[in-house]
Amino acid sequence: DTGVSQDPRHKITKRGQNVTFRCDPISEHNRLYWYRQTLGQGPEFLTYFQNEAQLEKSRLLSDRFSAERPKGSFSTLEIQRTEQGDSAMYLCASSPGQQIMNTEAFFGQGTRLTVV
Amino acid sequence: AQSVAQPEDQVNVAEGNPLTVKCTYSVSGNPYLFWYVQYPNRGLQFLLKYITGDNLVKGSYGFEAEFNKSQTSFHLKKPSALVSDSALYFCAVRDYPGGADGLTFGKGTHLIIQP
Repeated sequence: DTGVSQDPRHKITKRGQNVTFRCDPISEHNRLYWYRQTLGQGPEFLTYFQNEAQLEKSRLLSDRFSAERPKGSFSTLEIQRTEQGDSAMYLCASSPGQQIMNTEAFFGQGTRLTVV
Repeated sequence: AQSVAQPEDQVNVAEGNPLTVKCTYSVSGNPYLFWYVQYPNRGLQFLLKYITGDNLVKGSYGFEAEFNKSQTSFHLKKPSALVSDSALYFCAVRDYPGGADGLTFGKGTHLIIQP
């Protein structure tokens, strides 16, 4: 499978615990995005990497959230001291990004986080 | 700021009839517009995009969309609906230049095709 891969698919955690999600983008895609989707809503942009550089962060990304893409390949999203409001589907997407025309993003199946 | 509105939570169409899923947008610069589809337990799938050029763009699975700058709309259409088209459809926009690099999505429209 050469699509965007996310792990784990599901995560249940107790409030206050830390969680980390992983995203493996399509090979050679240099742009990587994280989104969050809650029930009944469209995906909301969280952050974006061009290779290993984190170029943009949404105001939705509180101080408890941190994302990395250390070698410009896979990325991790960590949430510290989880709250019930963090319960959502976390989506990762990648795109080639070299040309402005190549702007469509390819999404993974997401990691569903439930904070209890 | 960029924004997208999908005014219908649900659209019901009989199989074989034409379908339209509505989308309007707001940007400061030029819009890059997208449609994605989400099937249960599957990731968002890209359908089509408008960047520049012809206002009518064709995409996957027989879908097309018409960019209308004066009405700031980008409605998704298909001449003849299939039951398998039943899914959740999202319109998305990116403002260029100067907008966020991430896409802004609408809330989604459930498309239900009745046999």
